[in-house]
Amino acid sequence: EDQVTQSPEALRLQEGESSSLNCSYTVSGLRGLFWYRQDPGKGPEFLFTLYSAGEEKEKERLKATLTKKESFLHITAPKPEDSATYLCAVQRPQGGSEKLVFGKGMKLTVNP
Amino acid sequence: DGGITQSPKYLFRKEGQNVTLSCEQNLNHDAMYWYRQDPGQGLRLIYYSQIVNDFQKGDIAEGYSVSREKKESFPLTVTSAQKNPTAFYLCASSMGQRSSYNEQFFGPGTRLTVL
Repeated sequence: EDQVTQSPEALRLQEGESSSLNCSYTVSGLRGLFWYRQDPGKGPEFLFTLYSAGEEKEKERLKATLTKKESFLHITAPKPEDSATYLCAVQRPQGGSEKLVFGKGMKLTVNP
Repeated sequence: DGGITQSPKYLFRKEGQNVTLSCEQNLNHDAMYWYRQDPGQGLRLIYYSQIVNDFQKGDIAEGYSVSREKKESFPLTVTSAQKNPTAFYLCASSMGQRSSYNEQFFGPGTRLTVL
């Protein structure tokens, strides 16, 4: 069964204190790994797609990396506005569908 | 602006009532999805549609129904058979199988509360 595990479940950082969020997965034939950001009461906002081990993508203070078993979301010098829940999801071929399997999310709080 | 709209933002339902949640997209996407989000749980797929007039059950379809009569629209009905419907409902869309880009883009969500 496909599984996605995010850790830690919650993380508190001081402004400027860099850290990493982990997303480990078990899936046969990974088609893509996705990172989203979700603010309270809102829909998830797409951040990154990673397709193969060794791939990296960056956006402002965020950098996502992928290995064969896990992905990391590195946050460099975070600001309070980076506070949100970060979701990880994986996709594998399944009869031509594009179903995603989501982790439970990781709530990040950045204190000023 | 292209995007996904969901309405209403908040919905209250009495026991035994069916309610319909609206989802519209103007991104020219082929595929559309409905997810349910509960506290402490990941998003769970209810139904998805890869093309007009076709849809498939997701992981938790019991008590829900959908239709896909137009490319832009994918309404979700929460029936009285759904025993625990209170949740945050999210609609998403993607380009579908005709594209190598698999990202799903989400609407703002509808929060359903059963009174």
